[in-house]
Amino acid sequence: GQNIDQPTEMTATEGAIVQINCTYQTSGFNGLFWYQQHAGEAPTFLSYNVLDGLEEKGRFSSFLSRSKGYSYLLLKELQMKDSASYLCAVREDTDKLIFGTGTRLQVFP
Amino acid sequence: EAGVVQSPRYKIIEKKQPVAFWCNPISGHNTLYWYRQNLGQGPELLIRYENEEAVDDSQLPKDRFSAERLKGVDSTLKIQPAELGDSAVYLCASSFDENTEAFFGQGTRLTVV
Repeated sequence: GQNIDQPTEMTATEGAIVQINCTYQTSGFNGLFWYQQHAGEAPTFLSYNVLDGLEEKGRFSSFLSRSKGYSYLLLKELQMKDSASYLCAVREDTDKLIFGTGTRLQVFP
Repeated sequence: EAGVVQSPRYKIIEKKQPVAFWCNPISGHNTLYWYRQNLGQGPELLIRYENEEAVDDSQLPKDRFSAERLKGVDSTLKIQPAELGDSAVYLCASSFDENTEAFFGQGTRLTVV
């Protein structure tokens, strides 16, 4: 079956670093995506990993270990505007894109 | 470049009434998705199109939901009749192909009363 697990909520302080974990069990694997979603808005694309390792893009980095079915999103130098939900999504080998329930991050001053 | 456009943004209907949502994907994007998102949850795939062909509709409640993507561009999603449990945000997304990231529209927030 399909299962994507993320923590429901996290809190952090402005300027800090936070790591949001995602574990998955899916029917095959063809890439993992991270999306950011502010309340009442559409998800926006953050990162894509298909090979093992770390992808860095500015303040955001994403890591993938396919053998462990594990990914994390690392947010550095947190800003208040980073308060949002972060969605982990896996593309299965059938090209179906499956989303986790999301991690709601609150950044405090 | 225009993003994914959906309409309407909001819709309130009484139960048992029909409702339709419209989506115009990014130009040149062959893959189109319809997702449903309940409050505090991640998006749940309803149907995926590759051009005009529905390649995955396994999670579409076919007794009341229908979708079409004529000419492989715009798409409509219909619910008839609507039930209270259909209240959710309906998101449309598109991608160039099945291997690239999906871009989402603003969604249609449906409230069934």
